[in-house]
Amino acid sequence: DIQMTQSPSSLSASVGDRVTITCQASQDISNYLNWYQQKPGKAPKLLIYDASNLETGVPSRFSGSGSGTDFTFTISSLQPEDIATYYCQQYDNLPSFGPGTKVDIK
Amino acid sequence: EVQLVESGGGLVQPGGSLRLSCAASGFTFSSYWMSWVRQAPGKGLEWVANIKQDGSEKYYVDSVKGRFTISRDNAKNSLYLQMNSLRAEDTAVYYCARSGGSCYMYWGQGTLVTVSS
Repeated sequence: DIQMTQSPSSLSASVGDRVTITCQASQDISNYLNWYQQKPGKAPKLLIYDASNLETGVPSRFSGSGSGTDFTFTISSLQPEDIATYYCQQYDNLPSFGPGTKVDIK
Repeated sequence: EVQLVESGGGLVQPGGSLRLSCAASGFTFSSYWMSWVRQAPGKGLEWVANIKQDGSEKYYVDSVKGRFTISRDNAKNSLYLQMNSLRAEDTAVYYCARSGGSCYMYWGQGTLVTVSS
């Protein structure tokens, strides 16, 4: 089974800051990597699919990059409404999620 | 508009059974893989099971193999999860999700399953 790790597990940043989250797969998953945002009490929302493609309707301040085993998710300018937990998810064979990164406003 | 509505959650004793349902609308249900994903209280997301469009292929996370069964009824646009021999660690919100390529674009609102005596 493919294991996913994320770092950091939590972060606190100021409005307008650039925020970066990394996700690492235990083996090569090509670009089969997606990013989700989850707010408390809500279902996850797809933000980025296939490592770098922005889902329709998602603000352009969100972006993703990477391939193989190492991936990066970036919020270019943190907004108050971005407070949430972010998960990476791989789908090379059977799907699995990373442990999540909780993002707060400083 | 795509809608996924889960039902069937509740309180069940350890060792008991529960059947979750997910009613789908707004898309051609029979054209998509479907999945169940769960989230224990205060924890992260865990994929549980998925099923091919015609039900011919089913896959499970190791922790539920032999206890949970995923199924679908394309005529009723419905997805199911039969959960037997439930354990305290199965306590979670269970989400129905539509697979699209490698990602989950659409999710239900979730249904809470609590396993406790």
